[in-house]
Amino acid sequence: EDQVTQSPEALRLQEGESSSLNCSYTVSGLRGLFWYRQDPGKGPEFLFTLYSAGEEKEKERLKATLTKKESFLHITAPKPEDSATYLCAVQAQDNAGNMLTFGGGTRLMVKP
Amino acid sequence: DTAVSQTPKYLVTQMGNDKSIKCEQNLGHDTMYWYKQDSKKFLKIMFSYNNKELIINETVPNRFSPKSPDKAHLNLHINSLELGDSAVYFCASSPLPYTPQHFGDGTRLSIL
Repeated sequence: EDQVTQSPEALRLQEGESSSLNCSYTVSGLRGLFWYRQDPGKGPEFLFTLYSAGEEKEKERLKATLTKKESFLHITAPKPEDSATYLCAVQAQDNAGNMLTFGGGTRLMVKP
Repeated sequence: DTAVSQTPKYLVTQMGNDKSIKCEQNLGHDTMYWYKQDSKKFLKIMFSYNNKELIINETVPNRFSPKSPDKAHLNLHINSLELGDSAVYFCASSPLPYTPQHFGDGTRLSIL
């Protein structure tokens, strides 16, 4: 069974204080790892897809990296508008129906 | 310009009732999904539907049934609602297998 564990559950940062969010996964052959951002009362918003170990993707202050067992979402000099829940999800190669298995998320709070 | 839209946004009803949630996507995507997000914020896949092929997560009770009148719509019907069905239900779509999924803003279902 595919499993995704995210840590920490919650993270408080001061504006400008860089940090990383962790996503550990167990999957029977990884097809893709996805990062989403979710704001309160909204649906998840797609950020990145990573397909193979060593791959990196960047978008503004966010950078996602992937190894064979985990992914990191690095946040550089965060701003209050980066406050949200960040979700990690995996898709297995033998996945019928293209279903995603999500982790429990990391709730990020950035204080000015 | 809403890409994936769900109605209603809020649904309050009594135990034992039958209800439906509608989902429409205007992205021209081939695959649609339903997810359940419980009180602990875990997102769990319920169904995947592609070109009339339905893939069901084995943990979903048969009181839940998706119905697709056409490629742009995937509605969720729930019979004999139970207290444990209280959650936020998200619809999503993707253009091709293994491509990022785009989510609606959810329907918050509360069972009295």
